[in-house]
Amino acid sequence: NAGVTQTPKFRVLKTGQSMTLLCAQDMNHEYMYWYRQDPGMGLRLIHYSVGEGTTAKGEVPDGYNVSRLKKQNFLLGLESAAPSQTSVYFCATSPGPVFGYTFGSGTRLTVV
Amino acid sequence: AQSVTQPDIHITVSEGASLELRCNYSYGATPYLFWYVQSPGQGLQLLLKYFSGDTLVQGIKGFEAEFKRSQSSFNLRKPSVHWSDAAEYFCAVGAPNQAGTALIFGKGTTLSVSS
Repeated sequence: NAGVTQTPKFRVLKTGQSMTLLCAQDMNHEYMYWYRQDPGMGLRLIHYSVGEGTTAKGEVPDGYNVSRLKKQNFLLGLESAAPSQTSVYFCATSPGPVFGYTFGSGTRLTVV
Repeated sequence: AQSVTQPDIHITVSEGASLELRCNYSYGATPYLFWYVQSPGQGLQLLLKYFSGDTLVQGIKGFEAEFKRSQSSFNLRKPSVHWSDAAEYFCAVGAPNQAGTALIFGKGTTLSVSS
């Protein structure tokens, strides 16, 4: 039982390049979330999904896109990376609001 | 709007001493409340949660937290800290009965443990 798996774990991008971060879960959770973590800022919500085929914007959505074509996968895309997107990205899943989240181990992204 | 404040950015306690990490929230009703711990280079792990009932909740690793409605607080405590407790701790608030609504996290408190 892998839980929540994020790939890749590390990545260095050049400004303007694109990439996709994958979050895969095997817990059959309905809700999935993408957060970014920056020093002194805590976790800020980028986008989230309340079910297969749905997505919604969070607090800091600019520069990111998401898709949830399958229930178990939630993809986060950067179309044209910027240095301000250097961060650690966490995916989280939940079966419902009272349960809290299960987190992946994170993706450390550096944009140079 | 919901918000979470963790007033202490960094706390150092001696091994074996007691610990209290503060968390204050702003919400119109009683929210769901959570504490998470993050070890260096790791994801976040749920320590405990409160959603109703007994205001003193027990969690993993010997932690507990007390919900105080009058103070809008949900402080995390541990009677005797171990060196392995050194980590970053996050308080989070969620909206009850709003399926899918995302948690709001505080900015975290870094705990250092001295020998």
